[in-house]
Amino acid sequence: NAGVTQTPKFRILKIGQSMTLQCTQDMNHNYMYWYRQDPGMGLKLIYYSVGAGITDKGEVPNGYNVSRSTTEDFPLRLELAAPSQTSVYFCASNKQAWDTEAFFGQGTRLTVV
Amino acid sequence: QKEVEQNSGPLSVPEGAIASLNCTYSDRGSQSFFWYRQYSGKSPELIMFIYSNGDKEDGRFTAQLNKASQYVSLLIRDSQPSDSATYLCAVTGANSKLTFGKGITLSVRP
Repeated sequence: NAGVTQTPKFRILKIGQSMTLQCTQDMNHNYMYWYRQDPGMGLKLIYYSVGAGITDKGEVPNGYNVSRSTTEDFPLRLELAAPSQTSVYFCASNKQAWDTEAFFGQGTRLTVV
Repeated sequence: QKEVEQNSGPLSVPEGAIASLNCTYSDRGSQSFFWYRQYSGKSPELIMFIYSNGDKEDGRFTAQLNKASQYVSLLIRDSQPSDSATYLCAVTGANSKLTFGKGITLSVRP
């Protein structure tokens, strides 16, 4: 059982480039989340999804887009990368938001130069 | 006011002591409360969750919830050097958002 898989693990982008962070879970979880974590800070919610076809903004959605066409996949798109988007990105999922553990991917360390 | 707030750290305790970690939240409709541990360079992992007012114990860990005061805490008894990590408080609101605090770094001195 792979759990939550994120790719890539590391990436360096130039300012203005675009990229997609991939997230896949094989646990048939309804809820999926994207967070960013800056040094010494907690997790800030970027976007989340309560099921296929449904997404909603979190605390820091500007500069990002998401889609949820299947239960398994929840990619995060960065358009026009900026240095402020340098961070570690975590994808997470859980069966139900209110009473189950959220499982995290291993993270993607992104640097924008 | 931030949705989930944790008292500023870092927190340093000697081995064998009790570490007390605190968290407050702003949404009175919040339903579930979690404590995650994160080692440096790693992903967060769940250590405790609590839904009802009162205490919940699991080994050396005790979570305490007071919904009237919008307060949740984590006590770690007999702290060990392996407990040294960042502890993140997380809350699920009525809108199903899972929101984290900024975390507090605990250091257990041998």
